Amino acid sequence: GQSLEQPSEVTAVEGAIVQINCTYQTSGFYGLSWYQQHDGGAPTFLSYNALDGLEETGRFSSFLSRSDSYGYLLLQELQMKDSASYFCAVKDQAGTALIFGKGTTLSVSS
Amino acid sequence: EAQVTQNPRYLITVTGKKLTVTCSQNMNHEYMSWYRQDPGLGLRQIYYSMNVEVTDKGDVPEGYKVSRKEKRNFPLILESPSPNQTSLYFCASKTGDSYEQYFGPGTRLTVT
Repeated sequence: GQSLEQPSEVTAVEGAIVQINCTYQTSGFYGLSWYQQHDGGAPTFLSYNALDGLEETGRFSSFLSRSDSYGYLLLQELQMKDSASYFCAVKDQAGTALIFGKGTTLSVSS
Repeated sequence: EAQVTQNPRYLITVTGKKLTVTCSQNMNHEYMSWYRQDPGLGLRQIYYSMNVEVTDKGDVPEGYKVSRKEKRNFPLILESPSPNQTSLYFCASKTGDSYEQYFGPGTRLTVT
């Protein structure tokens, strides 16, 4: 089956850079994606990596190393509004359903 | 506006009283799914559907039923709710091969 590991909590200050790691074990791999969820809200899609390397979208970047079964989400120039939970996700063995990690709670302080 | 809607948003019920949480999407997505979210456990998949009349169990299907009679709707049914089904529930949809999944606003269910 699929399993994902990510830290439960990360703290940082405004303006800093933070990296949220995700390691995965999968039977079949179709890519790694990241979602953001503010407290009480719906998760929203952030990014997706199918190939090794760094994908940049504004202040957020996501990295994938398939040989290491590892990826990370990099958040730069942190703002208070970035305080949220971040989930990595992979597809199931059939390549359809999304399986999520337990999430990392990011707290940004001033 | 492209969206996934869920109803009700909040529900308090008693053990054993059958309930249905509705989910509807207007994006013509083939794939729909239900998750429950509990503190420290992340998003756990209950059931998913790859298209009309096609449903499959996720990681935590016990105590739940679903149906997919129309492409846009995917209701979650709790035939006999129990307190351990108290949770935040999310419906989601996407195109079949996509990684970008759209979530509904969530339904907070309390079973006493």
